[in-house]
Amino acid sequence: SQQGEEDPQALSIQEGENATMNCSYKTSINNLQWYRQNSGRGLVHLILIRSNEREKHSGRLRVTLDTSKKSSSLLITASRAADTASYFCATDANPSGNTGKLIFGQGTTLQVKP
Amino acid sequence: DAGVIQSPRHEVTEMGQEVTLRCKPISGHNSLFWYRQTMMRGLELLIYFNNNVPIDDSGMPEDRFSAKMPNASFSTLKIQPSEPRDSAVYFCASSLRTGEYNEQFFGPGTRLTVL
Repeated sequence: SQQGEEDPQALSIQEGENATMNCSYKTSINNLQWYRQNSGRGLVHLILIRSNEREKHSGRLRVTLDTSKKSSSLLITASRAADTASYFCATDANPSGNTGKLIFGQGTTLQVKP
Repeated sequence: DAGVIQSPRHEVTEMGQEVTLRCKPISGHNSLFWYRQTMMRGLELLIYFNNNVPIDDSGMPEDRFSAKMPNASFSTLKIQPSEPRDSAVYFCASSLRTGEYNEQFFGPGTRLTVL
């Protein structure tokens, strides 16, 4: 089964609103990554958060990690139509996080309406 | 840097035919991954290589699938014979495995349709 599971599966918001996506995982992790996939394209790495970090920012992105709940969230602030995409969380198949083999969740499809 | 290059971008073939997908990873990267993505099953890892050596092929669905990496700059994924259920988008990704974490860089994918 997938290590990471995102929710909601789909999210539709208006431009300018914030979008929050959640990811839950099953085993301990070394780090957790978020990726974006635009329609018809490959995945693009957005941000990585280490297991000893609780929050990380990159531009309009904010990622939080709660290792006690085995969950992470991705917040996109002031969303734009160009943020329309699917978003995936990913963790290493090995809890020590050094195999390089990533397990991806099913993804959240975000639609931002202009 | 051109990024990960995949060819062809689209492939339409008939059931029973052999299909070969190609991938050129980012120069200097030492890990290469093949994924398959469908609506029903999401993104599945098929096989990955470290330093041209296959490390984990547990995701390869059956013997009809095979992958090779003859050198650091080229890999192929072959399906023989192809079946309609193999229709999917196949992605190749590469990364520079440093030991701490491994951001993967994805190619644009090959959309395979088996009739």
